[in-house]
Amino acid sequence: GIQVEQSPPDLILQEGANSTLRCNFSDSVNNLQWFHQNPWGQLINLFYIPSGTKQNGRLSATTVATERYSLLYISSSQTTDSGVYFCAVVGGSWGKLQFGAGTQVVVTP
Amino acid sequence: NAGVMQNPRHLVRRRGQEARLRCSPMKGHSHVYWYRQLPEEGLKFMVYLQKENIIDESGMPKERFSAEFPKEGPSILRIQQVVRGDSAAYFCASSPGTANTEAFFGQGTRLTVV
Repeated sequence: GIQVEQSPPDLILQEGANSTLRCNFSDSVNNLQWFHQNPWGQLINLFYIPSGTKQNGRLSATTVATERYSLLYISSSQTTDSGVYFCAVVGGSWGKLQFGAGTQVVVTP
Repeated sequence: NAGVMQNPRHLVRRRGQEARLRCSPMKGHSHVYWYRQLPEEGLKFMVYLQKENIIDESGMPKERFSAEFPKEGPSILRIQQVVRGDSAAYFCASSPGTANTEAFFGQGTRLTVV
């Protein structure tokens, strides 16, 4: 199956800082999504982005499908951005998501 | 439009008991997926169902685990004779289509086996 690698595994940011999270995948994909799992365990949809660039407030994402990677940008980070960020892809015809191991983000005041 | 609803949010079972986890997909979604998240790990696919059919159960343990999505009512993930290693968060996701559509997740059921 498709391998999904996320980097870095951990990230500590001071409030107000910017950061970039990366997701590499081993084969072509039909779907790519970014999620934020908050400290209460809830999974929140950030982006559905199999290709191209999208922005939502302080967050933006870019997927370069031909080079098999996606980037998630967090600007002006806030403490509420803390949590784990997951990248997940669909490689086959079903909608089965293959998750990366996640990036643990801690934003300090 | 309510999101994906899972219940219960927390479930405690003694070893050997049965656990039943429920998932109601978003309105208009006929595709349901179950995932398991062990402590400090990512989510792992378990099973994919459409109404009354199991499409892919390649991630489901061969014994004690079963899933259904009846014509009426929520999808059910059933774990018989639970063991300590079943303790995890179980998430359900739904989507309106297959590969090229966005999936939305419920809040999860946290199962603790004591």
